[in-house]
Amino acid sequence: QSALTQSHSVSGSPGQSVTVSCTGTTSDIGGSNYVSWYQQHPGKAPKLVIYEVSKRPSGVPDRLSGSKSGNTASLSISGLQAEDEADYYCCSYAGNYKWVFGGGTKLTVL
Amino acid sequence: VQLVESGGGVVQPGRSLTLSCVTSGFTFSNYGFHWVRQAPGKGLEWVAVTSYDGNHKEYADSVKGRFTLSRDNSKNTLSLQMDNLRTEDTAVYYCAKDGSLRAYSGFFDYWGQGTLVIVPS
Repeated sequence: QSALTQSHSVSGSPGQSVTVSCTGTTSDIGGSNYVSWYQQHPGKAPKLVIYEVSKRPSGVPDRLSGSKSGNTASLSISGLQAEDEADYYCCSYAGNYKWVFGGGTKLTVL
Repeated sequence: VQLVESGGGVVQPGRSLTLSCVTSGFTFSNYGFHWVRQAPGKGLEWVAVTSYDGNHKEYADSVKGRFTLSRDNSKNTLSLQMDNLRTEDTAVYYCAKDGSLRAYSGFFDYWGQGTLVIVPS
């Protein structure tokens, strides 16, 4: 199973909006609603921020939202805050009880 | 909810190591679990999954035949036995709880802090 494709980095100023994209294939993102996103601060464990394409776990601010179109999933963050600076990883169910992650996107808040 | 991994360390290529993950704060026997690893400075890689009852397991191609996942529902503990280790297995290994009750959800809602495995060249 090949890794999903994410842009290496994205940046924005406080208050602005950014979008992180994640591209896969019909075998993973395109064929599944089990797309999730994880936030990882340096030296910390990943934290679930979006599941099943667009659902937010309890405690995750509604500034974060997820969507999917075809083979591409997206994580949007509005009203950027300093605490949003982190690495973001997408993940998709890839069939046959296997999962695949993207390579990660580093979000910098300028 | 807590997941705590242990067992990492430095191990020579070709040797074996067993990681453990002890959990608390929820009914362990109701959930599947995954192992996910992260090589130094790299991204996340899904490694393996076990169902809530341990009757189904699946592995990434990169570890299939070398890694074995097991669980002890009486001790709320998950184990990952890693045999014939390679330098490319060097990573922080995380155990992660599946988000669905007695099924696979496709997402990992709680993670441990990770344990580092180093296989030197």
